[in-house]
Amino acid sequence: DAGITQSPRYKITETGRQVTLMCHQTWSHSYMFWYRQDLGHGLRLIYYSAAADITDKGEVPDGYVVSRSKTENFPLTLESATRSQTSVYFCASRRGLAQYEQYFGPGTRLTVT
Amino acid sequence: AQKVTQAQTEISVVEKEDVTLDCVYETRDTTYYLFWYKQPPSGELVFLIRRNSFDEQNEISGRYSWNFQKSTSSFNFTITASQVVDSAVYFCALSEGFTGANSKLTFGKGITLSVRP
Repeated sequence: DAGITQSPRYKITETGRQVTLMCHQTWSHSYMFWYRQDLGHGLRLIYYSAAADITDKGEVPDGYVVSRSKTENFPLTLESATRSQTSVYFCASRRGLAQYEQYFGPGTRLTVT
Repeated sequence: AQKVTQAQTEISVVEKEDVTLDCVYETRDTTYYLFWYKQPPSGELVFLIRRNSFDEQNEISGRYSWNFQKSTSSFNFTITASQVVDSAVYFCALSEGFTGANSKLTFGKGITLSVRP
């Protein structure tokens, strides 16, 4: 029972490069989310998806792109990485409506040099 | 707009002490959901509890208990007889409504709990 996985777990990239963070869940949950966690800011929502091919912006979407062609996958792409995008990124999924809890992946620590 | 405030940023206690982590929320919805998550030093986020706005019963799970009071918009978390393994960052979170834009989870900034042996 893999649950929700993220890859890579650690990534170092250079400013201006494109990088994609992968998220995969095995529960067939409808909703998926991307958060970033930074000291002093807690967890902030980047994008979320209610179902395949349905995505919407969260609190801090600038500089990020998402897609969801399959229910189980929700990749997050930084089109041109900046140092301010150095962070820990968490993917989460939820089986249904707002009353259900979200389950989080292990996180990806991204460093942009 | 929904908001979660965790006014305590860091708490340090000695093992076996009781500790309460405060959470105050703001929402205009009458239907909402409150959550607590634990983030141990290893970094993962672990779901602890969910509470519906229409259920004000307190909950106890082992050494953990939660006090939900709508009158003060608070959802506090108490750890009884704390242990070193309780050392973690604890997040309170709020979700409004059922679908669409209102189904997002808003987190507080977290409380870092250190339990010393």
